[in-house]
Amino acid sequence: DGGITQSPKYLFRKEGQNVTLSCEQNLNHDAMYWYRQDPGQGLRLIYYSQIVNDFQKGDIAEGYSVSREKKESFPLTVTSAQKNPTAFYLCASKWTGVTEAFFGQGTRLTVV
Amino acid sequence: SQELEQSPQSLIVQEGKNLTINCTSSKTLYGLYWYKQKYGEGLIFLMMLQKGGEEKSHEKITAKLDEKKQQSSLHITASQPSHAGIYLCGAPSPDLADSWGKLQFGAGTQVVVTP
Repeated sequence: DGGITQSPKYLFRKEGQNVTLSCEQNLNHDAMYWYRQDPGQGLRLIYYSQIVNDFQKGDIAEGYSVSREKKESFPLTVTSAQKNPTAFYLCASKWTGVTEAFFGQGTRLTVV
Repeated sequence: SQELEQSPQSLIVQEGKNLTINCTSSKTLYGLYWYKQKYGEGLIFLMMLQKGGEEKSHEKITAKLDEKKQQSSLHITASQPSHAGIYLCGAPSPDLADSWGKLQFGAGTQVVVTP
């Protein structure tokens, strides 16, 4: 089945540790996205990538890093520089142009 | 950057009643998406609108994009418990040089359907 997969669904980390969230898609989509969602709020764009080996900062990129070495994969690293990393993280992918995005089921990150 | 404002922030509707959610953009929309989200889950695509004056329907949900392409509404007729959730509007950036790559969303509208 084609789709977009995020793992893990729940993640717990100690404060000061870096953590990497996985996002894989087998839809052959060119563009991939990472969003952060806080309780009662909408989605805020962290990073996006439209082609392999290229990515752009979104509105809240500070404290995060990404890579796009393969078309199907777009991992997000939450670094220790991110001051408030506890949130729900969503990954999405789409074809370029004005087309709809497909979302993963999200990863809930809790930093203790 | 483009901002999308949704209203209302939340609403409670009795089962069987109609409801409307609005999404307003500060810039001309080149496309407008509507998604539904259940708490703690991913977003489910509902509809996409591109042309001014366009209207689309799926089951009891109708979405419209105004002629100026700066406002969209989502209307649910005869609401059911299955309509409960968070509804979000999204749009690609109006930057042609970016190939509409930057995809942004409104803050969402929480819908509660009561018996």
